[in-house]
Amino acid sequence: GENVEQHPSTLSVQEGDSAVIKCTYSDSASNYFPWYKQELGKRPQLIIDIRSNVGEKKDQRIAVTLNKTAKHFSLHITETQPEDSAVYFCAASPTGTASKLTFGTGTRLQVTL
Amino acid sequence: DAGVIQSPRHEVTEMGQEVTLRCKLISGHNSLFWYRQTMMRGLELLIYFNNNVPIDDSGMPEDRFSAKMPNASFSTLKIQPSEPRDSAVYFCASSLITQGAGEQYFGPGTRLTVT
Repeated sequence: GENVEQHPSTLSVQEGDSAVIKCTYSDSASNYFPWYKQELGKRPQLIIDIRSNVGEKKDQRIAVTLNKTAKHFSLHITETQPEDSAVYFCAASPTGTASKLTFGTGTRLQVTL
Repeated sequence: DAGVIQSPRHEVTEMGQEVTLRCKLISGHNSLFWYRQTMMRGLELLIYFNNNVPIDDSGMPEDRFSAKMPNASFSTLKIQPSEPRDSAVYFCASSLITQGAGEQYFGPGTRLTVT
């Protein structure tokens, strides 16, 4: 089955700096890569996703890049703000298996003032 | 439009008791996912249904766990008998799968504590 590795497990940045979280996956058939943000005590919520037919997608301060050859994808947050502090999860879903997502282990991002 | 509804939000029970968690999908969605989240194991997929049919239950930890989807909008996850190691937050997620993967919308979760 699919295996998703996520790094780093914790990340601390100063407000205004950029944050990058990286994930690798094992199943070359995976074609859908969402990122979820989970604030303390809350549910995971989708913040951005990318499909395998594009290499990069951007939404305001958030961007995701995908390298299918290397089987890795990354989340980039620019101009970080305190409200970006949360746990971020990457996930991957293989073609032909509906939407079974395999999640990474999460990255705890702390944005300090 | 209501999101995913889960009940109860919190459950405290004694070891050996039966626990039933409930989930209502977003109207019009056709897929439901049960996840368990712990500090040690992260977010694990337990089982998922598509059009009321269980597609993959390989994540169900053992026979003490069972899940049903008696109709298109409602599901239950039952643990019988419960054990302290079952303590976790259980999320269900709802999705509309038309082709390949679709966005999953998570419910608020049920925090289960087994003493």
